[in-house]
Amino acid sequence: DAKTTQPPSMDCAEGRAANLPCNHSTISGNEYVYWYRQIHSQGPQYIIHGLKNNETNEMASLIITEDRKSSTLILPHATLRDTAVYYCIVRSMNYGGSQGNLIFGKGTKLSVKP
Amino acid sequence: NAGVTQTPKFRVLKTGQSMTLLCAQDMNHEYMYWYRQDPGMGLRLIHYSVGEGTTAKGEVPDGYNVSRLKKQNFLLGLESAAPSQTSVYFCASSYNGDQYNEQFFGPGTRLTVL
Repeated sequence: DAKTTQPPSMDCAEGRAANLPCNHSTISGNEYVYWYRQIHSQGPQYIIHGLKNNETNEMASLIITEDRKSSTLILPHATLRDTAVYYCIVRSMNYGGSQGNLIFGKGTKLSVKP
Repeated sequence: NAGVTQTPKFRVLKTGQSMTLLCAQDMNHEYMYWYRQDPGMGLRLIHYSVGEGTTAKGEVPDGYNVSRLKKQNFLLGLESAAPSQTSVYFCASSYNGDQYNEQFFGPGTRLTVL
């Protein structure tokens, strides 16, 4: 089972920031938070990941609370092309065997509206 | 680079028929994965491989077999297709399994079993 809880859907106005929440209250010290997204009918695409510090790249920012029990993915200026299902995934840092495998939940369907 | 490619894109089978899905990657990745995605659901891991000649079971391996004879290819076989195997199948690859290496996904294969 997925170790994360996300709202099933969200709307965002084009050009505004999209803030997607994720709860992962059972996360352990050796687990990272990853975000992927899936645009309709395509394969998932990696966005960003982090352990405990906030992270930023060209696509998004990831804010992780100090207790690491929740996080927020921020798309600073959402466009229509950002309409997709966004998956928050908790993943072990121990690779080898199955520990590092991604476990997808149902994600949040983000609809960016003009 | 083509990235991750999947063959075929679409396929319709009758119950009991067999088929093989081909995944190829040109990024020299060690790890490869097969997922299935049912309507309204996240992806579920079927089998994965951590290197040429090695395979391992994922979350939902029953009814599928895999082979990794060449590093760049990962084959998914259905020996006797069942309607429950109607799904979209995604292949992915990563450089290795550690936290810094994202998974790259193919475009998917839509399989219908009648």
